[in-house]
Amino acid sequence: GNSVTQMEGPVTLSEEAFLTINCTYTATGYPSLFWYVQYPGEGLQLLLKATKADDKGSNKGFEATYRKETTSFHLEKGSVQVSDSAVYFCALTRNSGNTPLVFGKGTRLSVIA
Amino acid sequence: GAVVSQHPSWVICKSGTSVKIECRSLDFQATTMFWYRQFPKQSLMLMATSNEGSKATYEQGVEKDKFLINHASLTLSTLTVTSAHPEDSSFYICSARASFSTTGRTNTEAFFGQGTRLTVV
Repeated sequence: GNSVTQMEGPVTLSEEAFLTINCTYTATGYPSLFWYVQYPGEGLQLLLKATKADDKGSNKGFEATYRKETTSFHLEKGSVQVSDSAVYFCALTRNSGNTPLVFGKGTRLSVIA
Repeated sequence: GAVVSQHPSWVICKSGTSVKIECRSLDFQATTMFWYRQFPKQSLMLMATSNEGSKATYEQGVEKDKFLINHASLTLSTLTVTSAHPEDSSFYICSARASFSTTGRTNTEAFFGQGTRLTVV
């Protein structure tokens, strides 16, 4: 079955540090890959996505590249801010039809000034 | 993007009572909605798939008689937690997928409600 393995947290970084959150997946076929962010007390917001191999998703300074050869979709940001403190979820879904998302366990990021 | 509205955002209820959570797609029609549950500091676990006009499909281990799902229209799905107990306290989130076309391609994206924090006392 489909699954997502995500780097365990929590992760604590100083402001302006480099961020990497690892994500690998297991899936049949060619899934779409996503990163969602959840701020305290809120629902999930789509951060970025990639729908095919070698695609790079980017948003708000965050990037992730769909690597089929390593089945990975690692999230990176060159310089984090305090406002980036949140929980980040890696997820996948089949491209076709009304299929639900499969989520990783989430990684809590805390950025300190 | 599309908007999914979930209500209420939080609710406190007594043990033994029932609580209804609404999930609405505001600017698109959703034949399918998904209900997830999130325990503190854990990931989202799919509870059930809600299908308009038919019975919901529940994931293994989810009690269908306890978590009643109704999807009576293309824009509304409801989750009712019946005879709630403290162990039902959790964060419940609904999701719907919307399709939209840009430059000749059709993309489908999942949109999430704001979530409902249920506390059973």
